[in-house]
Amino acid sequence: GAGVSQSPSNKVTEKGKDVELRCDPISGHTALYWYRQSLGQGLEFLIYFQGNSAPDKSGLPSDRFSAERTGGSVSTLTIQRTQQEDSAVYLCASSLRINTEAFFGQGTRLTVV
Amino acid sequence: AQKVTQAQTEISVVEKEDVTLDCVYETRDTTYYLFWYKQPPSGELVFLIRRNSFDEQNEISGRYSWNFQKSTSSFNFTITASQVVDSAVYFCALTVYNQGGKLIFGQGTELSVKP
Repeated sequence: GAGVSQSPSNKVTEKGKDVELRCDPISGHTALYWYRQSLGQGLEFLIYFQGNSAPDKSGLPSDRFSAERTGGSVSTLTIQRTQQEDSAVYLCASSLRINTEAFFGQGTRLTVV
Repeated sequence: AQKVTQAQTEISVVEKEDVTLDCVYETRDTTYYLFWYKQPPSGELVFLIRRNSFDEQNEISGRYSWNFQKSTSSFNFTITASQVVDSAVYFCALTVYNQGGKLIFGQGTELSVKP
């Protein structure tokens, strides 16, 4: 696609429910990144993919968080048993290769009530 | 460990003033990349510039310019003749060569340009 597309734009969920956030990167971009933006923590790295592999998952805050990427394209970030502290904007970015400029999607605003 | 510091939390200027946003970084690696992103009220992070550690040339793009100084570990961003549309949060970020491109962000500087 022309840009990075994320869905949904907004998600309100009840505490304890599972949620899935989707990212469609720019076509041909091999690297894909997930970040989280919250007021108290700023912009935090979560995980990145090179192709379908995730060499670095060090930013995932707990084992309730997981992500996958299929076909070297779409990625899904899953949060199980959501907690209120998971409320944040989740940003996806893609780049042609690692260490080149990353282009961001508009984000998914997650609110856990 | 790497770190990016943007000491200015908020800056307010009047249109047509020049403004400089400061960015100081820390890394022991010799190969790294520095970035600036703009986040307008709409929320999407917009890429502005990427600079590698071996290229200390300053860069100018229209009203925007960047000053990279390895001696002081700084990568400052200047907007000349600011406009209301420049109002946004600006983030400086760092990635090092062997970390897959993951960005370490500063806390951001919120720039408000008043008419």
